[in-house]
Amino acid sequence: KQEVTQIPAALSVPEGENLVLNCSFTDSAIYNLQWFRQDPGKGLTSLLLIQSSQREQTSGRLNASLDKSSGRSTLYIAASQPGDSATYLCAASGSARQLTFGSGTQLTVLP
Amino acid sequence: GAGVSQSPSNKVTEKGKDVELRCDPISGHTALYWYRQRLGQGLEFLIYFQGNSAPDKSGLPSDRFSAERTGESVSTLTIQRTQQEDSAVYLCASSLMGSEQFFGPGTRLTVL
Repeated sequence: KQEVTQIPAALSVPEGENLVLNCSFTDSAIYNLQWFRQDPGKGLTSLLLIQSSQREQTSGRLNASLDKSSGRSTLYIAASQPGDSATYLCAASGSARQLTFGSGTQLTVLP
Repeated sequence: GAGVSQSPSNKVTEKGKDVELRCDPISGHTALYWYRQRLGQGLEFLIYFQGNSAPDKSGLPSDRFSAERTGESVSTLTIQRTQQEDSAVYLCASSLMGSEQFFGPGTRLTVL
């Protein structure tokens, strides 16, 4: 059974700092890995999808990497802004396609 | 609208009542998923529909939970004889086969 872990559980940084969020998964036979952000009381917003054959994906200030062999993914956020404050979730998709989610990293960017 | 929509946004019910939650996926998306998020906990997979194939019900927590999907459109999640532990936000997502999942805003269910 796939298990997804995210470290740290919470992170507070000053505005402008670059930061890395970590995600690890136990079963390397994933189909893809997806990063989301969740704002309080809101649904999930998809940030990046990395297919199992890919090593990284970039969107604006966000860069996500995937290392299947070590069971790890990272989300890099450049030049953080207060608007980036949210909970960031990573989720791994297996052959059955449903997502297994980590418990999230709650990010606070201080102005 | 272009996104996944869910209704109602909030539902308060009494223990023992049945509830129906609705999801309208993005047009053309063949896959539809239901998840739930209980307070302070992570998201749990409930059920997955892909085209006309039999749904993957492996995440349903009990036989009080069921879901239907009409073709490749709307889906309804039904919870019978609701219990307090069913209180959660129920999220629906849709995708093209094997692709990025897009989530709706969720239905917050409160069972008194």
